[in-house]
Amino acid sequence: DAGVTQTPRHEVAEKGQTIILKCEPVSGHNDLFWYRQTKIQGLELLSYFRSKSLMEDGGAFKDRFKAEMLNSSFSTLKIQPTEPKDSAVYLCASSFGRVDAETLYFGSGTRLTVL
Amino acid sequence: GDQVEQSPSALSLHEGTGSALRCNFTTTMRAVQWFRKNSRGSLINLFYLASGTKENGRLKSAFDSKERYSTLHIRDAQLEDSGTYFCAAESSGSWQLIFGSGTQLTVMP
Repeated sequence: DAGVTQTPRHEVAEKGQTIILKCEPVSGHNDLFWYRQTKIQGLELLSYFRSKSLMEDGGAFKDRFKAEMLNSSFSTLKIQPTEPKDSAVYLCASSFGRVDAETLYFGSGTRLTVL
Repeated sequence: GDQVEQSPSALSLHEGTGSALRCNFTTTMRAVQWFRKNSRGSLINLFYLASGTKENGRLKSAFDSKERYSTLHIRDAQLEDSGTYFCAAESSGSWQLIFGSGTQLTVMP
């Protein structure tokens, strides 16, 4: 089905490396979100795009996390440099737009392990 | 911070019976969404509510922002309903989604 596609499913990185996670939102969706999920913090918002424009980025993540959306059908999340505490599941989600109540569609996530 | 308390953590039902999952919120939330986790690990949307109730087949959900809770009712449970169900609430004034800890539902013959 044409849901949200995230790649890779799993990523293992050494401390200090640069990794890039990828997301393809549902076709036609205007809003795209990047979340990080950990057992301690639950789901934390990393970035929010509306029509490719960055609307919000999680303040605590600004220094090493950078999300980009160069076109409406593709987004990347770069972590540079990686640290062991970045080990988590990274989720991408999209929706038509939040003018009113809108459903979020989530991808399967990328499980990142930083050694 | 804002919290979402989901219960029960595990639930066993016999086919044809029903029950309810519940999420309580520590603060006023703007909206709630219910998901089911599929075999690929994706979160499948069940309901999104900013208020009131919605029904879809054997599932029905309600959200009361003022009373700070949401419920997901399952009736006439089937074996294929087994899985993990999550609620997630939107914190007012933020795009942040706060997830409950999930309910592992097992439907038995």
